[in-house]
Amino acid sequence: AQKVTQAQTEISVVEKEDVTLDCVYETRDTTYYLFWYKQPPSGELVFLIRRNSFDEQNEISGRYSWNFQKSTSSFNFTITASQVVDSAVYFCALSIKHNTDKLIFGTGTRLQVFP
Amino acid sequence: GAGVSQSPRYKVAKRGQDVALRCDPISGHVSLFWYQQALGQGPEFLTYFQNEAQLDKSGLPSDRFFAERPEGSVSTLKIQRTQQEDSAVYLCASSFIRGGDEQFFGPGTRLTVL
Repeated sequence: AQKVTQAQTEISVVEKEDVTLDCVYETRDTTYYLFWYKQPPSGELVFLIRRNSFDEQNEISGRYSWNFQKSTSSFNFTITASQVVDSAVYFCALSIKHNTDKLIFGTGTRLQVFP
Repeated sequence: GAGVSQSPRYKVAKRGQDVALRCDPISGHVSLFWYQQALGQGPEFLTYFQNEAQLDKSGLPSDRFFAERPEGSVSTLKIQRTQQEDSAVYLCASSFIRGGDEQFFGPGTRLTVL
């Protein structure tokens, strides 16, 4: 069975702090994809990043960075120098190749950034 | 339009009524997905289309839920005899091809069943 766990329900930080959102996944498949989506108060899910299971290279995009570690089945997301506009619910998701490509989401982490 | 659109954005139904939710995917996208998002939860998969073929409906919670995509573009999710537990946001997503492509989500339809 496949599963995504986001143990942090809610995180509050003050602007300019760094914050890391944790994601742990479970699958027995060797080929899979991992995603992060942002859901601002408006409700629309916004794609942030996709990683395939064969690419463990970490990625940085501006203030965002992702750490993929197969050894611990984790795909953590760090926001550096957080801003109020980063306030949203963040979802980690998993899809299995050759299995419909449906996304299996975690329960999300609500990030609140205070000025 | 450039993105996935859904209508209506909000729907209030009395228990027992039938509802139809519409999704317009991004032009040219082969894959279309429906998800259900309960309050405070992550989206949960309902069904998947590749063009007009419904290849996976394993997530539909009961036979009151029905989805179609007859011409391989617009899709409709129909819920018959709505129940209070059907209250949720229904999200539609599309992607260009299979193989782990990113899915682009619409704004969702918030369904409230009284």
